[in-house]
Order: sequence, then structure tokens, then C-alpha cells
Amino acid sequence: GENVEQHPSTLSVQEGDSAVIKCTYSDSASNYFPWYKQELGKGPQLIIDIRSNVGEKKDQRIAVTLNKTAKHFSLHITETQPEDSAVYFCAASRDQGGGSYIPTFGRGTSLIVHP
Amino acid sequence: DTEVTQTPKHLVMGMTNKKSLKCEQHMGHRAMYWYKQKAKKPPELMFVYSYEKLSINESVPSRFSPECPNSSLLNLHLHALQPEDSALYLCASSQFTEGRDTEAFFGQGTRLTVV
Repeated sequence: GENVEQHPSTLSVQEGDSAVIKCTYSDSASNYFPWYKQELGKGPQLIIDIRSNVGEKKDQRIAVTLNKTAKHFSLHITETQPEDSAVYFCAASRDQGGGSYIPTFGRGTSLIVHP
Repeated sequence: DTEVTQTPKHLVMGMTNKKSLKCEQHMGHRAMYWYKQKAKKPPELMFVYSYEKLSINESVPSRFSPECPNSSLLNLHLHALQPEDSALYLCASSQFTEGRDTEAFFGQGTRLTVV
């Protein structure tokens, strides 16, 4: 099955700095890579995703890059703000043939943005 | 409306109790999911419903019993739980599109404590 490794487990930055979280996956058939942000006491919220036919995607201060050859993808947050503090999960999934969505999650990165 | 609503938000139950968790979505999604999440861990898939039929059971103990009464509702019936079952229980839904994974929307979760 798929295995997703995520690093670092904890990331501490100063407000205004950039933050980068990296993930690798094992199943070359994986073709969909979402990123979730989970604040304390809340459910995961999708913040950005990328499909295997795209190398990079950007949404305001958030960007994701994908290297299919190396089987790794990264989340980049620029101009970090204290409200960016949360746990971030990467995930990978592939066509299961049944239409349902079953991602394999990374172990999570706790991002702390100091004011 | 991109919300998945879960009730209750918090639940404390004894090991001999019977309780139910409820989940509702009105996005027309035909795939619905139950996840279990322990502290500082990623969500773990428990069940998947596709078109109101159970399609995946990740070897979950029978003390957890899912039910999908209609396309908008998903229940999780709990009976004779153990203290180690204490966790955040997350419901999610996604569009059912054959051959294409789509993003899943998560609810805020039910924080379950078994005493």
C-alpha cells in the first residue's frame, strides 16, 4: 500500500518568514495530493491540492509543488502569520476504481508562527 | 453550502452505554466516511459509504456500527466501547466521480471520551 512520509514534525518560524513542509510517497500510481490544515479542536480543512498532471499550484500565500519522478511534494507558505499556526497534513491517493476518496495521510507537521 | 455537520461536538459515555454519532451534509456528495483521530496523529479511515452502501470497512471492531439512512446522513452507533476508543471521530464526504479522486470535506468532529 501507499506510504507517506512527512517532515518536519514540528516547525517554528517568526511571523513574516516562509515555511516549507515536505512529503514523500511510495506508490507511483498516486495522482492526487491534498494538503489539510487542522486547528486545535477542529476537523481538517483542505487548503490546497495538486494533481499529478501539474507541477506547481499557487493560491495567494500558499503553494504546492510536485515532483513525480522523485515522488515528493511540498507545501510552501510565504509571509506567515500567527493564524497559520496549526497542524498540517499532506496526503496522497490514487484512482481506487470505485469513485470514493481514500487518502493516505502523512504524520502531520505542527507549525508554530511566533508574532 | 460546503459544510459537514457533526453532532454532538462532545460526548462522554460509560463502557456499558449505547450512543450514536450523527453526520449530515447537503452538498449532494454520494461518498461519506468515518475517520478516527487520536491526539497528534493523522486521521485513520474506519468506514466508507458509496451511494448509501457500505463499501469499505477497515477491520473495525463490531462495537462500532455505521449506518447510512439516506444520501445526506451518516450515523455511527457505539456500544460497549473501551477507554482506548476515546478519540476525535471525524465524518467526511466527497463527490462520487468514477475514475477521479476529489477533495473530501471534513466535519468538525465529535470528541468522544469513554469512562
